Amino acid sequence: DAGVIQSPRHEVTEMGQEVTLRCKPISGHDYLFWYRQTMMRGLELLIYFNNNVPIDDSGMPEDRFSAKMPNASFSTLKIQPSEPRDSAVYFCASSAAETQYFGPGTRLLVL
Amino acid sequence: QKEVEQDPGPLSVPEGAIVSLNCTYSNSAFQYFMWYRQYSRKGPELLMYTYSSGNKEDGRFTAQVDKSSKYISLFIRDSQPSDSATYLCAMAKGAQKLVFGQGTRLTINP
Repeated sequence: DAGVIQSPRHEVTEMGQEVTLRCKPISGHDYLFWYRQTMMRGLELLIYFNNNVPIDDSGMPEDRFSAKMPNASFSTLKIQPSEPRDSAVYFCASSAAETQYFGPGTRLLVL
Repeated sequence: QKEVEQDPGPLSVPEGAIVSLNCTYSNSAFQYFMWYRQYSRKGPELLMYTYSSGNKEDGRFTAQVDKSSKYISLFIRDSQPSDSATYLCAMAKGAQKLVFGQGTRLTINP
């Protein structure tokens, strides 16, 4: 298996622009997670899905952030409008049981 | 106060040394305890997983959970340069909603 796939791997954008991050989970996994990692705050859970349904979005920082999972093999995290404080590495992870498998991450820089 | 506290280091030790990494937590409802390893510019990968209290050993790695003290540890024996990475503790009430520590950056010097 190719593991969790994320795109793009790097994104540089200007403040106010819309950013869309994409994730393809491991086939057969029924949980999907979005995390954000920064030096200051560490690795934080933003939202997670079970069988394509959002279960807990309490970690989503504000209304500028939204996530969708239209089917079992694809999810998006959207930031609109983006701000410099959104600069971070965003990870997608998937699991079928206790072990979460992380993707390589998307490095986002908002200027 | 953060739910999970972990000294960010950095920690630098010579090859072959025993490494001890630790986390404390405040939420007594945590039942699942994990250690993830993260190499530079990579995603975290699960290293050890323990449910409730006790010890677990896997090769050179030993994980310990002391729920009475709200304290977990990871020991690495015969440390190797390839063990150089950031180690993150993580814990949860249910298995899914993980709360991570800040991560400890470890360097093993040849």
